[in-house]
Amino acid sequence: GAGVSQSPSNKVTEKGKDVELRCDPISGHTALYWYRQRLGQGLEFLIYFQGNSAPDKSGLPSDRFSAERTGESVSTLTIQRTQQEDSAVYLCASSFGGGQGDTQYFGPGTRLTVL
Amino acid sequence: QQPVQSPQAVILREGEDAVINCSSSKALYSVHWYRQKHGEAPIFLMILLKGGEQKGHDKISASFNEKKQQSSLYLTASQLSYSGTYFCGTVRMDSSYKLIFGSGTRLLVRP
Repeated sequence: GAGVSQSPSNKVTEKGKDVELRCDPISGHTALYWYRQRLGQGLEFLIYFQGNSAPDKSGLPSDRFSAERTGESVSTLTIQRTQQEDSAVYLCASSFGGGQGDTQYFGPGTRLTVL
Repeated sequence: QQPVQSPQAVILREGEDAVINCSSSKALYSVHWYRQKHGEAPIFLMILLKGGEQKGHDKISASFNEKKQQSSLYLTASQLSYSGTYFCGTVRMDSSYKLIFGSGTRLLVRP
């Protein structure tokens, strides 16, 4: 497709369960980013990929959060033993390179609700 | 080190102008402006790079004052479609890629 796609669009889970969120970046984009947006708040950086390596994982809130990327393609964000405070919209973005002046294009997000 | 946006909220009548400001205490390489409508992904508006510059398209423009580390977004002759939350994202000189977003400015344009 032409844009960044994410799946699922909505996910409701029970506290303690694991969830996987998927992101398909724009074709040809080498850089991929994950952000979290809590209700009514701004975007919070989680992790950045250049290719399939993640030089910066500093934004991951805890060791329950992990992410992988296959080559310059799909990325998966996994949250283990979900907690209610994990409820948020998880947004993925991609850019052509990972430079300071590169535009990041966002996907529609996955709305995660932890009951 | 989150950039500070002001005002937090603006209500306009259609056709009025607005200015949204974004300032940082750190040296910036670039400032990115996005608009987000409720329940949707942020949409890219424009990016401004260090060196100080101005950009614009249609009735939306922005400036970046490198000396002050401040960017302003100008909305001229506002339209109903301009309603949404505007976020600035900043990339610091000492960071190659990380966008740090402000808390947003909610804009409502009324008929």
